[in-house]
Amino acid sequence: GESVGLHLPTLSVQEGDNSIINCAYSNSASDYFIWYKQESGKGPQFIIDIRSNMDKRQGQRVTVLLNKTVKHLSLQIAATQPGDSAVYFCAESSPYGNNRLAFGKGNQVVVIP
Amino acid sequence: DAEITQSPRHKITETGRQVTLACHQTWNHNNMFWYRQDLGHGLRLIHYSYGVQDTNKGEVSDGYSVSRSNTEDLPLTLESAASSQTSVYFCASSESYPGRRDTQYFGPGTRLTVL
Repeated sequence: GESVGLHLPTLSVQEGDNSIINCAYSNSASDYFIWYKQESGKGPQFIIDIRSNMDKRQGQRVTVLLNKTVKHLSLQIAATQPGDSAVYFCAESSPYGNNRLAFGKGNQVVVIP
Repeated sequence: DAEITQSPRHKITETGRQVTLACHQTWNHNNMFWYRQDLGHGLRLIHYSYGVQDTNKGEVSDGYSVSRSNTEDLPLTLESAASSQTSVYFCASSESYPGRRDTQYFGPGTRLTVL
């Protein structure tokens, strides 16, 4: 199916534990950030976004943290489930990017039952 | 429900042939994008459009073209397929609002193999 592949940083997590996925971004002008989840054979799926006027945003079982000082973004998944096994990648956008996104290469999350 | 679809889902073609990948969205989004996804490279932008009759080159546009004759569709054409264009192709769309950007929503992808 359509997927990124196997040669990505991998995070192995026990089912029920919390997961933390990190992303460093490079453009200090970026002010909008998105986390995507990509399951094997599928297209990237929106999880959560955050704008630069916020440090933290929570969704259902997910929290995104933004540290603009060190240009770092993280995604926390609470009580990880087998269905959370996927590739996760962040994307950033700047006011000068004309609605384009720059994507990170992704992190593979493997949930161990 | 509104959605974004791609066809075909899988395609095998020969070097030198012209190939067109279809992308159709029913969200009435102004912005549409084509990406390719390869091992070690992540998602790379091929072409994008901000509206009807508008097209722009992305970072890896050589050998590809797009046209936007209506809001719903942005077909991607490989003029003369090359083995280096073997990849998974994703289409995405987003709304545009003055002064802010919005999330891109992706289609299911097309796996293209060029022999």
